[in-house]
Amino acid sequence: KNQVEQSPQSLIILEGKNCTLQCNYTVSPFSNLRWYKQDTGRGPVSLTIMTFSENTKSNGRYTATLDADTKQSSLHITASQLSDSASYICVVTGGGNKLTFGTGTQLKVEL
Amino acid sequence: DVKVTQSSRYLVKRTGEKVFLECVQDMDHENMFWYRQDPGLGLRLIYFSYDVKMKEKGDIPEGYSVSREKKERFSLILESASTNQTSMYLCASSFPGFGTNEQFFGPGTRLTVL
Repeated sequence: KNQVEQSPQSLIILEGKNCTLQCNYTVSPFSNLRWYKQDTGRGPVSLTIMTFSENTKSNGRYTATLDADTKQSSLHITASQLSDSASYICVVTGGGNKLTFGTGTQLKVEL
Repeated sequence: DVKVTQSSRYLVKRTGEKVFLECVQDMDHENMFWYRQDPGLGLRLIYFSYDVKMKEKGDIPEGYSVSREKKERFSLILESASTNQTSMYLCASSFPGFGTNEQFFGPGTRLTVL
């Protein structure tokens, strides 16, 4: 069964600190992996997409990594800001354009 | 700037009522989707449409139907609402090849069925 598991479920960090969110998947075959950010009361917005051949991709203070061998991805946030408080969702596309969503990591950045 | 709008942010209905959720996108996207989002379960696909008057069942279509009469508009219908359909409903749209192309989401409709 295709699954996407994210950890931790929730996280609280102080403003300015870095953090790393994890995504492990069992989706096969693998097409791509996308990270979304969902602010409270809003729909998800794409941060980055990674294909099989990509190891690292950055979008401002967000850096995603992908290890296709171990089927793991991470999202690293540098110098966190209050506006980073959101849910971060990992989505893996498999065969036939089938999307499998993770349940998300709820991040809270505090002063 | 892509815009996906949903007719209501919050909706309260009674058991047995017929409920319509409307979604409109302004980017001329072929694909449109309806998801529900529940705590601990993530987003689950209810239905999607890849063209006008075309629809495909997603993972949890039971109790729902959809309508796509115009390219920009995709409606989700709950024929007889039940309490287990209380949820956040998200609409999304994308160009063809939605496995690769980004899905753009609306703000969601939080539906409560009493």
